[in-house]
Amino acid sequence: GAGVSQSPSNKVTEKGKDVELRCDPISGHTALYWYRQRLGQGLEFLIYFQGNSAPDKSGLPSDRFSAERTGESVSTLTIQRTQQEDSAVYLCASSSGGTVREQYFGPGTRLTVT
Amino acid sequence: AQSVTQLDSQVPVFEEAPVELRCNYSSSVSVYLFWYVQYPNQGLQLLLKYLSGSTLVKGINGFEAEFNKSQTSFHLRKPSVHISDTAEYFCAVRSGGYQKVTFGTGTKLQVIP
Repeated sequence: GAGVSQSPSNKVTEKGKDVELRCDPISGHTALYWYRQRLGQGLEFLIYFQGNSAPDKSGLPSDRFSAERTGESVSTLTIQRTQQEDSAVYLCASSSGGTVREQYFGPGTRLTVT
Repeated sequence: AQSVTQLDSQVPVFEEAPVELRCNYSSSVSVYLFWYVQYPNQGLQLLLKYLSGSTLVKGINGFEAEFNKSQTSFHLRKPSVHISDTAEYFCAVRSGGYQKVTFGTGTKLQVIP
């Protein structure tokens, strides 16, 4: 079946502009996660959704970052007034709501802020 | 709280040699452990997982890992690496009762011809 998809695959934006990144999880997966991966670094947790509620937003780096999810479907990560330090690959993952919660990752969106 | 430590940021190894990538975790409760691989310019792919039962877990591409509860480790091994194994490897843990999976900082495996 289809895996996790993300769009756009690449985004170049000017400093100060807003961007929206989209994630389509695997159908039926109730949990959805956003991570940030800066060049040469590990994964930085941003936010986790269970259904359309976000019980853990602890990783959002500032109030310029927000995310929403429609039901158990698409999620959008929005970054307002982008800064150069926001440049990174943004990865989305989804999992079933079971005990194990094995995560399936999308290919990521590479964001470059100029 | 849960955490993961991958002590080696880079591991160079010659082709056909064995390799071990180290992972240590901390958690006060039962754990689920994962290894993911990230090939250049791609997303993460699950290599293997430990849920319960046998402490030796076999994954894709000839990799295996051993869960050692007393040493709180979950090291990844392969007896003979190939050039195509060049990638970054991430260890991850989820503790019972936590919703979130915590990832290590990754180990870059460089296979030298």
